[in-house]
Amino acid sequence: QVQLVQSGAEVKKPGSSVKVSCKASGGTFSTHGINWVRQAPGQGLEWMGGIIPIFGTANYAQKFRGKVTITADESTNTAYMEVSSLTSEDTAMYYCARDRQQLVVGNWFDSWGQGTLVSVSS
Amino acid sequence: QSVLTQPPSVSAAPGQKVTISCSGSSSNIESNYVSWYQQLPGTAPKLLIYENTERPSGIPDRFSGSKSGTSATLGITGLQTGDEADYYCGTWDTSLSANYVFGTGTKVTVL
Repeated sequence: QVQLVQSGAEVKKPGSSVKVSCKASGGTFSTHGINWVRQAPGQGLEWMGGIIPIFGTANYAQKFRGKVTITADESTNTAYMEVSSLTSEDTAMYYCARDRQQLVVGNWFDSWGQGTLVSVSS
Repeated sequence: QSVLTQPPSVSAAPGQKVTISCSGSSSNIESNYVSWYQQLPGTAPKLLIYENTERPSGIPDRFSGSKSGTSATLGITGLQTGDEADYYCGTWDTSLSANYVFGTGTKVTVL
């Protein structure tokens, strides 16, 4: 089974940006969608968007368009998610998750990263 | 605010059964596959059910899924203390703002 390993926790100032990585190992990377899911403290799961690395174009939830940028590097089997203009409301755990089916985004997610905690505080 | 509604909590004694409902609409549950995820405290979510009723390898048959119209249901039989977790349904929504949506989440408590 594919293993997804995310970068470590981040502490950021309001107005700055953060870039989280998600490295895949043990399976096919390029043809499976990589999705990003946010979970604010004590809250539920929220889909932010996803990308199929071989195509390179990301699909975003309307709420996150212009706020989040999702990219993927096939040469290193790594996906990235960048959040700009951070505010306290962006304090959350961020997960990457892989689509089980190939060549789709937002189907069902069979592998998840361990999560990256992003804290925004002045 | 999620477009998929789940009860905030359900509870039962060990060995008993619980069901968790997930209510949506024609643009999501009715027209797309539903999946279910289990999130144990302090951990990442884990896939329990996909394509409405299918279990990934390694998921015990105590967990089952069903779908009818605009609603889906997760069932857990033979409840164990290790099943205490948050459970989320999820599916694609084909409305104007097409995106994947999760349910509001349900906390399962084993009494």
